[in-house]
Amino acid sequence: AQRVTQPEKLLSVFKGAPVELKCNYSYSGSPELFWYVQYSRQRLQLLLRHISRESIKGFTADLNKGETSFHLKKPFAQEEDSAMYYCAPILGVGSGGSNYKLTFGKGTLLTVNP
Amino acid sequence: KAGVTQTPRYLIKTRGQQVTLSCSPISGHRSVSWYQQTPGQGLQFLFEYFSETQRNKGNFPGRFSGRQFSNSRSEMNVSTLELGDSALYLCASSWGQGGYEQYFGPGTRLTVT
Repeated sequence: AQRVTQPEKLLSVFKGAPVELKCNYSYSGSPELFWYVQYSRQRLQLLLRHISRESIKGFTADLNKGETSFHLKKPFAQEEDSAMYYCAPILGVGSGGSNYKLTFGKGTLLTVNP
Repeated sequence: KAGVTQTPRYLIKTRGQQVTLSCSPISGHRSVSWYQQTPGQGLQFLFEYFSETQRNKGNFPGRFSGRQFSNSRSEMNVSTLELGDSALYLCASSWGQGGYEQYFGPGTRLTVT
């Protein structure tokens, strides 16, 4: 079955500490992957996509096809990073785009303490 | 560019009633997806519309339906409301279908009593 798993519902770190939010997916192909973030009282927004290979707000995400993982990392967490983070691969079956959809994990609530 | 807008922002209904939610995508975006967000289940995909046609559907009962108009605006309808339908309903628009980068609206908070 195709699914995405974020094993940690809650993650708490201190300011300045490294942070890693885990994401594993179950899929036979090579999906496109995204990380979305929702700050308190704000709408859900795209943080980064793996195809762009860029760093956004100090976050990076590496696709590991062997482990089917797409963990989100930041070397030094800041208090403003506190938010809910969702891993979201595009999963589907068949050819073409009609059966493919963005599939969200349950999310990890990151709290960065001062 | 104006962002995705959803109306109404809050809604209270009683069991058995029906409700219609509206979503206006970003100008130029042709795909609109709907999601249900609850504390227990997280974000669950409802359906996606592209060029006025439903292209993809999640695992929700037939009480949940939608449509898209020629200007890409979309509506979602839930009939015979149940208590479990209480949730935040999010709409997202994108340029293409099938999960391109999506831009989310603020959501409609539906409470069923």
